[in-house]
Amino acid sequence: DAGITQSPRHKVTETGTPVTLRCHQTENHRYMYWYRQDPGHGLRLIHYSYGVKDTDKGEVSDGYSVSRSKTEDFLLTLESATSSQTSVYFCAISLIKGTDTQYFGPGTRLTVL
Amino acid sequence: GQQLNQSPQSMFIQEGEDVSMNCTSSSIFNTWLWYKQDPGEGPVLLIALYKAGELTSNGRLTAQFGITRKDSFLNISASIPSDVGIYFCAGRRTTSGTYKYIFGTGTRLKVLA
Repeated sequence: DAGITQSPRHKVTETGTPVTLRCHQTENHRYMYWYRQDPGHGLRLIHYSYGVKDTDKGEVSDGYSVSRSKTEDFLLTLESATSSQTSVYFCAISLIKGTDTQYFGPGTRLTVL
Repeated sequence: GQQLNQSPQSMFIQEGEDVSMNCTSSSIFNTWLWYKQDPGEGPVLLIALYKAGELTSNGRLTAQFGITRKDSFLNISASIPSDVGIYFCAGRRTTSGTYKYIFGTGTRLKVLA
């Protein structure tokens, strides 16, 4: 168990509403990531963070923003949710320097109606 | 976005059989990771590899870092029903400023009792 929690675990929302997903880690790892997983597409990187207030875009960042004000929390925001953002969202953490591994959270299933 | 080629995409095997799957890339990697994902859960790290030619075991699982550094292999010996799931590979290049992992498309394993 890598000490990663995601909240909420399930959410149903309507098109056009803002949604924020939270990832919390207790490992003090520097690097944090948000992925989405869809059938036929595997895991795709949305945004990642390489330190407090340091973030960068992944391959599918349109429509998403992130914030990291503390080492332990990484927030993913859908400013105006669309049906195409219905997916399972995974947070992950990495140490990279030292032991190069990546651990995943349990996921958040988001449905946008 | 870039993804690793993982094969086979799916496989049905009889309980007790050995399983082999592989992951290939057009780029050289410095780290290879293997994950298993059960339905409704996040990927769980099985094995991490850091050196070309490295062979690492975790119980009935054995993974190898290819000598060319462009591929990796995972073997499962004497499969059991709980081996069912999706297996992912992931790789990372340790070039400056690269904090991102690239994922394979997954191998779906089904075990027939």
